[in-house]
Amino acid sequence: AQKVTQAQTEISVVEKEDVTLDCVYETRDTTYYLFWYKQPPSGELVFLIRRNSFDEQNEISGRYSWNFQKSTSSFNFTITASQVVDSAVYFCALSEARSSGGSNYKLTFGKGTLLTVNP
Amino acid sequence: GAVVSQHPSWVICKSGTSVKIECRSLDFQATTMFWYRQFPKQSLMLMATSNEGSKATYEQGVEKDKFLINHASLTLSTLTVTSAHPEDSSFYICSAIDGYTFGSGTRLTVV
Repeated sequence: AQKVTQAQTEISVVEKEDVTLDCVYETRDTTYYLFWYKQPPSGELVFLIRRNSFDEQNEISGRYSWNFQKSTSSFNFTITASQVVDSAVYFCALSEARSSGGSNYKLTFGKGTLLTVNP
Repeated sequence: GAVVSQHPSWVICKSGTSVKIECRSLDFQATTMFWYRQFPKQSLMLMATSNEGSKATYEQGVEKDKFLINHASLTLSTLTVTSAHPEDSSFYICSAIDGYTFGSGTRLTVV
């Protein structure tokens, strides 16, 4: 069975601090996908990144960066120079392997980390 | 890019009534859509997989007679919460197309 663990329930930082959100996953699949989503108070899920299990390159997008380490089954997310607008719940998610010819992902979510960025 | 539209955004209903939530794939045909439920301050849990032209597949513990799913076209799946009760109050959200593009969600409150 698949499992995603986000050990940090809540994190509070002051604006401009860097913050790292941890994500550890468990899966028996050799091919899988990892995701991060942002959920602001309004509720919608904002897609941030999708990472293939074969691609262990770290990725940077503006103030966001992701560190994927297959050896430790971790996919951590760092926000550099945090801003108040970054305040939200962040979810890490794992997909099961796609069936042959399939293109749809069924996701297993972690419990989320509530990030509060104070001015 | 691909857009998933969900309607309504929020609904309040009386206990015992039924509520229908729509999930539309606006510019892409979606043979499969997923329905998730999120209770306050909790994670998202998959409820069911909606398959166009066939029966939905429900996750363990989800009552299929209570949560009716209809996927009659390649762009529309509906979730009907029948005989709603206060414990059904939750945030319902669908995904479509690729499975990781989500609608905006529906906040259901049963009073």
